[in-house]
Amino acid sequence: NAGVTQTPKFRVLKTGQSMTLLCAQDMNHEYMYWYRQDPGMGLRLIHYSVGEGTTAKGEVPDGYNVSRLKKQNFLLGLESAAPSQTSVYFCASASGSWADTQYFGPGTRLTVL
Amino acid sequence: DQQVKQNSPSLSVQEGRISILNCDYTNSMFDYFLWYKKYPAEGPTFLISISSIKDKNEDGRFTVFLNKSAKHLSLHIVPSQPGDSAVYFCAVPAGNMLTFGGGTRLMVKP
Repeated sequence: NAGVTQTPKFRVLKTGQSMTLLCAQDMNHEYMYWYRQDPGMGLRLIHYSVGEGTTAKGEVPDGYNVSRLKKQNFLLGLESAAPSQTSVYFCASASGSWADTQYFGPGTRLTVL
Repeated sequence: DQQVKQNSPSLSVQEGRISILNCDYTNSMFDYFLWYKKYPAEGPTFLISISSIKDKNEDGRFTVFLNKSAKHLSLHIVPSQPGDSAVYFCAVPAGNMLTFGGGTRLMVKP
């Protein structure tokens, strides 16, 4: 039982390049989330999904897009990376509401030069 | 404007002593609170939660206290162990998202 996995673990991009981060969960969870963690700011929600085929904006959605074509996968895309997007990105999943325990992946460290 | 604040970015305690991590919130309507723990190079993991109908919730060495009038919650770890060294986040469901505090890095020295 792998839980929540993220690929890649590390990535370095140049300004303007694009990339996709993949999150996969094997717990049959309905809810999935993408967060970014920056020093002293905790985790901030980028986008989330309450089920296959649905997505919604979180607190800091600008510059990112997401897709949830399959229940187990949640993709985060950066169309034109900027240095301000240098961060650690975490994916999480949960079975139900916001109060339910969220299970996090190990994170992706992204550096944009 | 942060709805959840952890004013101490770091805390150092001796093994065996008590660790107290604090969290303040702004909205008196919040009714559920969670603590997550994060080790380096890993994702956060759920630690303990408390509903606003309680003022205390205990799980082994970990106890969370809620003071609704002060809009303050605290996490007590007794006794502290070196393996407790991690970053601790308080979090609250707010609107359609889970809002996290900035985290407190706990270092437990042997």
